[in-house]
Amino acid sequence: GNSVTQMEGPVTLSEEAFLTINCTYTATGYPSLFWYVQYPGEGLQLLLKATKADDKGSNKGFEATYRKETTSFHLEKGSVQVSDSAVYFCALATETSGSRLTFGEGTQLTVNP
Amino acid sequence: NAGVTQTPKFQVLKTGQSMTLQCAQDMNHEYMSWYRQDPGMGLRLIHYSVGAGITDQGEVPNGYNVSRSTTEDFPLRLLSAAPSQTSVYFCASSYNRANTEAFFGQGTRLTVV
Repeated sequence: GNSVTQMEGPVTLSEEAFLTINCTYTATGYPSLFWYVQYPGEGLQLLLKATKADDKGSNKGFEATYRKETTSFHLEKGSVQVSDSAVYFCALATETSGSRLTFGEGTQLTVNP
Repeated sequence: NAGVTQTPKFQVLKTGQSMTLQCAQDMNHEYMSWYRQDPGMGLRLIHYSVGAGITDQGEVPNGYNVSRSTTEDFPLRLLSAAPSQTSVYFCASSYNRANTEAFFGQGTRLTVV
C-alpha cells in the first residue's frame, strides 16, 4: 500500500532561519508528490507538487525535489518568515489510487520574530 | 468562484444524534472526498466519489454514509454520533487524475459529547 512519513514536530524556528521538513514515502506504482499547507483556522491548500523523478516543485520560496532513489520529497526554504507558521502535510497519489491522497502526519511549524 | 464550501463550521452533538455535513463545489470536479483530521494522524480518508451516483469507502468509513446525486454536492451523514467521531472534517474536490491539485473546504469542527 501507500504511506507517507514526515519528520516529527513541532518545529520552532527564528525568522530568517533555514527550514527542512523531511518526507519519505512508499508507493505501489509511480506516485505524484505534494506538499499542502494549512494556515490556522483554514483548510489545506496546495503549496507545491512534483509528478516525476528529479522534478523540483517550488512556490513562495519553498522547494522540494522528487528523489526516486531515496523515496523522498523534503521541503526546504532558505529564510522563513513569521507568516510561514502553519501545518505542512506531505502527500502522494498514484495512477492506481487516482485522486485519493495519502497524507503524512503533518508538521507544525512556528516561526518566531 | 466559491471553490469548495462546507457547512457548518462548528457543531456540537450529543451521543446518538445524527447530522449531515454539507459540501458543495462549483468547479465541475469529478472527484470529491471527505477526510477527518485528528492530532498526530494527518488526514484520513472517510469516503470518496469519482462522479455522480458513484461512491466508495476510504480508510475509516464506519459510522458515516455518503451519497452523490449531483456533481456539485457530496454530503456526509453521521447516523448515530459517538465521541470517537469528535474531529475536524474536510471536504475536498479535484479532477480525477493522480497529478492534479485538490481543493479543500475550510473544515467543520465537530464535538460529540
